[in-house]
Amino acid sequence: AQRVTQPEKLLSVFKGAPVELKCNYSYSGSPELFWYVQYSRQRLQLLLRHISRESIKGFTADLNKGETSFHLKKPFAQEEDSAMYYCALSGSGFQKLVFGTGTRLLVSP
Amino acid sequence: KAGVTQTPRYLIKTRGQQVTLSCSPISGHRSVSWYQQTPGQGLQFLFEYFSETQRNKGNFPGRFSGRQFSNSRSEMNVSTLELGDSALYLCASSPGGWTQYEQYFGPGTRLTVT
Repeated sequence: AQRVTQPEKLLSVFKGAPVELKCNYSYSGSPELFWYVQYSRQRLQLLLRHISRESIKGFTADLNKGETSFHLKKPFAQEEDSAMYYCALSGSGFQKLVFGTGTRLLVSP
Repeated sequence: KAGVTQTPRYLIKTRGQQVTLSCSPISGHRSVSWYQQTPGQGLQFLFEYFSETQRNKGNFPGRFSGRQFSNSRSEMNVSTLELGDSALYLCASSPGGWTQYEQYFGPGTRLTVT
């Protein structure tokens, strides 16, 4: 079965510190990985997807098939990055999004 | 474009009753998916509709059903409500395929079963 693991429920950092939100997945086929973000009182929205290989709001994520990981990184955290972050998995063998349990990122001044 | 809308936003029902939730996708989007979000289980996929056909279904009992209309609006129904059905139900729309397009989420319907 497909599974996404986000080991940290809460990640607390100071402004300007580097951030890494961890995501590991389990899927034997060719995965499609996404990061979704939910800011306070806002809707869940797509942050980035691995196929686009782009940086959004300073965040990047690299798919590592050997380690089955898709960690989200940002070199210098900002207070406005505080939000709930969800890693999600899809693939050609299953037409749906499987979400991790989410990591709350708290950036303090 | 207007975003995904869901009605009602809040709902309180009694165990054993049934409930219908509605979702209006972004104009031009033909795919509508439903998710259940709870503190314990997180976000779980319920089902997805495309052009009025259910294309995929999650691991939920038959009490959970849905449909999509010709204008792409979708409804989901839960019959014989149980306390454990209390959750935030999210609807998401996209133009078509899964990985080619971004999923746009609605604000959700908060269902409380007493």
